[in-house]
Amino acid sequence: QVTLKESGPGILQPSQTLSLTCTFSGFSLSTYGMGVGWIRQPSGKGLEWLANIWWDDDKYYNPSLKNRLTISKDTSNNQAFLKITNVDTADTATYYCARIDRRNDYFDYWGQGVMVTVSS
Amino acid sequence: NIVLTQSPATLSVTPGESVSLSCRASQSISTSIHWYQQKSNESPRLLIKYASQSISGIPSRFSGSGSGTDFTLSINRVESEDFSIYYCQQSYSSLYTFGAGTKLELK
Repeated sequence: QVTLKESGPGILQPSQTLSLTCTFSGFSLSTYGMGVGWIRQPSGKGLEWLANIWWDDDKYYNPSLKNRLTISKDTSNNQAFLKITNVDTADTATYYCARIDRRNDYFDYWGQGVMVTVSS
Repeated sequence: NIVLTQSPATLSVTPGESVSLSCRASQSISTSIHWYQQKSNESPRLLIKYASQSISGIPSRFSGSGSGTDFTLSINRVESEDFSIYYCQQSYSSLYTFGAGTKLELK
């Protein structure tokens, strides 16, 4: 059974760095073809893909945010991470992590999402 | 970046009607398009993969079609539980993108 769960700070101030953790079970990021992606959704708005990390440590970033994003993983603890530097109010959103498989390239399992608010 | 344009933004229907939702890509993406349903306050759920392939557990009234730049999600005889937002996503490029979504609402 595949599950994913996001965790984050809840609230942070402008210019700070947002650190998010995705803790998952039912698959391993050391298995060939496996990946985890991060997607966010401001309240009442659409989905925005942020970044993917793959089993071989290959990484891809949304070009519009690339300079601010860092994705990483800890295969031993079944976790993936996303850092966003220099946040502002536009980064207020629900952040999701989701599983991807290189053979399929779609998000087949999603976490419940974690809400992050950027406010002074 | 590959841009996905979904239309209409909102579709108002009555239960029992059949509907078609459109997703248009800014360049040819073969069949590398996937559809998701998002109900209020829930995470998105995969509905259709690779333009037309069904997903286990998804009702058969949902179907997809298209290739190249034009794609369609069809719902045959909409049911009350189908009122939600639908997104398309492309994986032709390693830099994924989502469409802005189509909201299916009760007329």
